[in-house]
Amino acid sequence: SQKIEQNSEALNIQEGKTATLTCNYTNYSPAYLQWYRQDPGRGPVFLLLIRENEKEKRKERLKVTFDTTLKQSLFHITASQPADSATYLCALDAYSSASKIIFGSGTRLSIRP
Amino acid sequence: DVKVTQSSRYLVKRTGEKVFLECVQDMDHENMFWYRQDPGLGLRLIYFSYDVKMKEKGDIPEGYSVSREKKERFSLILESASTNQTSMYLCASSLNVGGAYEQYFGPGTRLTVT
Repeated sequence: SQKIEQNSEALNIQEGKTATLTCNYTNYSPAYLQWYRQDPGRGPVFLLLIRENEKEKRKERLKVTFDTTLKQSLFHITASQPADSATYLCALDAYSSASKIIFGSGTRLSIRP
Repeated sequence: DVKVTQSSRYLVKRTGEKVFLECVQDMDHENMFWYRQDPGLGLRLIYFSYDVKMKEKGDIPEGYSVSREKKERFSLILESASTNQTSMYLCASSLNVGGAYEQYFGPGTRLTVT
């Protein structure tokens, strides 16, 4: 079955450093991959979408890579700020789901001043 | 500014009660979704609707039903609430299905069943 794995352990980094979060998938080859941000007690908010034929995508301080050989996406936040503290979810298109998309369980990121 | 709203942010109900969670979107989207989110389990799809009066079961439909009488409104119904349905419930909408289309989420309803 299609699976997504995100590091369940929280990531704590110093303000100003680059935060890197990982999304791994197994048993299939998605054509699209999305990243969302979720603040405590709130719904996820879409950040970026990357296609399988795109190796990298950027939006302001955010960068996403999509390595179809490694079956992995990396999500980078450069010059991180305490306001970037949140849980970040990845999502991939998935034939096994009625909605044709499945979400990872997310990685909590904490940026300390 | 696009919006998905949910009828309640917090809800406390008793075991056996019938519970209605309502979701409204103003983006004229065909597709609407109900998820529940539990620690460590991520977002799990309960039901999905691709048009008015049309629905499709998600991964965990047992104990739930849905209603979509109007395009903008999608309701989740817990026929007889149980304590294992205590969770965060999230509604979402999208222009189309699949990974090429972003989903817009509501603020969530934190339901506690006692």
